[in-house]
Amino acid sequence: DADVTQTPRNRITKTGKRIMLECSQTKGHDRMYWYRQDPGLGLRLIYYSFDVKDINKGEISDGYSVSRQAQAKFSLSLESAIPNQTALYFCATSAYSGGIQYFGAGTRLSVL
Amino acid sequence: AQSVSQHNHHVILSEAASLELGCNYSYGGTVNLFWYVQYPGQHLQLLLKYFSGDPLVKGIKGFEAEFIKSKFSFNLRKPSVQWSDTAEYFCAVNAGNNRKLIWGLGTSLAVNP
Repeated sequence: DADVTQTPRNRITKTGKRIMLECSQTKGHDRMYWYRQDPGLGLRLIYYSFDVKDINKGEISDGYSVSRQAQAKFSLSLESAIPNQTALYFCATSAYSGGIQYFGAGTRLSVL
Repeated sequence: AQSVSQHNHHVILSEAASLELGCNYSYGGTVNLFWYVQYPGQHLQLLLKYFSGDPLVKGIKGFEAEFIKSKFSFNLRKPSVQWSDTAEYFCAVNAGNNRKLIWGLGTSLAVNP
């Protein structure tokens, strides 16, 4: 079983819909991250969390929100999806700041 | 602001050619350095890392990288690439007390058989 699991793997939704992407991990790490990947733009950090009560905005948090339900679970929500949020989304974990990040398989999201 | 620059955006090589991908960062203090690889349709995985010690680090699949502090560089090398090395390669840096990794934009490598 994967250490970092993302669901769903693929999602197509319509403009204005609320959507949640989920991430769970079995690595026992405190730190979790949400990134989006767009061609030519690399990885951009959306939100990160260092424990259940420590949630921080990344460089592109507008239009997104997160919830850290437990050490192992970190969800990303798009409150009202728009087409330019079409991207590949990755969740990652690490044991400490500056440490190796372990990635999930990604969620490919299309907003029509 | 801290930044990571990958000089080559797209690289095309033939099998058995040598590879060097450039990575430079802007920070003068202690750094942790990473190269990640993303094979087509897959997630990112660690290729190699440098935290301290020998500045020449070896990773998986015959890759290596050299940390040159005076040049703020961490270039990735492989003496002889294979078709299976076709992937996107990302350099990342954690600098000082930064709570996040700073990512380069990636280099797309295509290896022709």
